[in-house]
Amino acid sequence: GDSVTQMEGPVTLSEEAFLTINCTYTATGYPSLFWYVQYPGEGLQLLLKATKADDKGSNKGFEATYRKETTSFHLEKGSVQVSDSAVYFCALSYAYSGAGSYQLTFGKGTKLSVIP
Amino acid sequence: DSGVTQTPKHLITATGQRVTLRCSPRSGDLSVYWYQQSLDQGLQFLIQYYNGEERAKGNILERFSAQQFPDLHSELNLSSLELGDSALYFCASSVGEGRPSYEQYFGPGTRLTVT
Repeated sequence: GDSVTQMEGPVTLSEEAFLTINCTYTATGYPSLFWYVQYPGEGLQLLLKATKADDKGSNKGFEATYRKETTSFHLEKGSVQVSDSAVYFCALSYAYSGAGSYQLTFGKGTKLSVIP
Repeated sequence: DSGVTQTPKHLITATGQRVTLRCSPRSGDLSVYWYQQSLDQGLQFLIQYYNGEERAKGNILERFSAQQFPDLHSELNLSSLELGDSALYFCASSVGEGRPSYEQYFGPGTRLTVT
């Protein structure tokens, strides 16, 4: 079945450091890929998405490129802030045959802590 | 604020009991998804409804059931509760039948604690 693997955390960085969170996926077709962020005590928010190969999603200084050849969707940010401290989830959405449903399959999440 | 509301925010109950979690999707959204977030299993898809009809089932236990009402709100019913059912339950909604490009908007979740 489909699956998403992302790097285990926690990740601790100093403010203004460069961030990379690795994400790879296994899918039988051509999924859309997402990064969601969960701040403490809150629900998930969509951070960025890419719907086809070579697409780059970007938002709030975060970027991720859909790499079909390496089945990857790594999240990057050039300079993290304390306010970026959260849990980040990589996810895919794929049409399950006959169901018409596009439920999200998530990775296990990576907790990021940014210290001043 | 995503526009998706979930009640209650917290729920504490005993083993063997039954609870109902409620979700109201964003205005205009026809699809509702339920997800469970636990330390052991991470975030898992449970079930999806579209305009009142069940569309897909994921890792949902037989003790769990859901429905979507004509006003599009949804309820997740959990019965014969076990300690392992303690988790955060999220509802998400999307505008259509959930094409991959359709964003899912998540509610704040209901934290269920089974003692």
